[in-house]
Amino acid sequence: KAGVTQTPRYLIKTRGQQVTLSCSPISGHRSVSWYQQTPGQGLQFLFEYFSETQRNKGNFPGRFSGRQFSNSRSEMNVSTLELGDSALYLCASSALWRAGNEQFFGPGTRLTVL
Amino acid sequence: GQQLNQSPQSMFIQEGEDVSMNCTSSSIFNTWLWYKQDPGEGPVLLIALYKAGELTSNGRLTAQFGITRKDSFLNISASIPSDVGIYFCAGLNMEYGNKLVFGAGTILRVKS
Repeated sequence: KAGVTQTPRYLIKTRGQQVTLSCSPISGHRSVSWYQQTPGQGLQFLFEYFSETQRNKGNFPGRFSGRQFSNSRSEMNVSTLELGDSALYLCASSALWRAGNEQFFGPGTRLTVL
Repeated sequence: GQQLNQSPQSMFIQEGEDVSMNCTSSSIFNTWLWYKQDPGEGPVLLIALYKAGELTSNGRLTAQFGITRKDSFLNISASIPSDVGIYFCAGLNMEYGNKLVFGAGTILRVKS
């Protein structure tokens, strides 16, 4: 079974631009979560989608948004990029939205904002 | 908010030694997960724990879910060079939704 895939793996953008990252979950998984990883803040939860609905949201500004499609693939968008948005963006998928569910991570997208 | 305190921050050990790291929290979790992350890659799930007191092994790795549901530890026995990486604990409490709360990580270096 293929794992979680994320595209692109690397991105370089300039301040003020916007970016869209893509995540394909493990086949059969319907929950997709997004996390931001930085050296200073560690791994921080962005949001979670299940059945095309945002179920949970972390403490990030409205410039960070996402969506999920009917095939469970998800995208996240960051508008008006700032230098501090440089990070590894990780997507995780899980089978069901239930207690005790394991989350499996993709390789991440490394975003650099210049 | 929920926070996890993971220790130690880093370890530099001799190959063959055992390793122990732990996570504590002031909040209760109903799932504990342990991940390993290599440079430039996403975290890889090592062990999942679902019940207080549960002790689970995966090869040379053993992890336990604390009785109070506020802590967990991970042991690695007979370390080898490929154990090098960053180990993260993560807690999940579905009362707060399906979002993981992560520890800051333990950096493991192994001298061969």
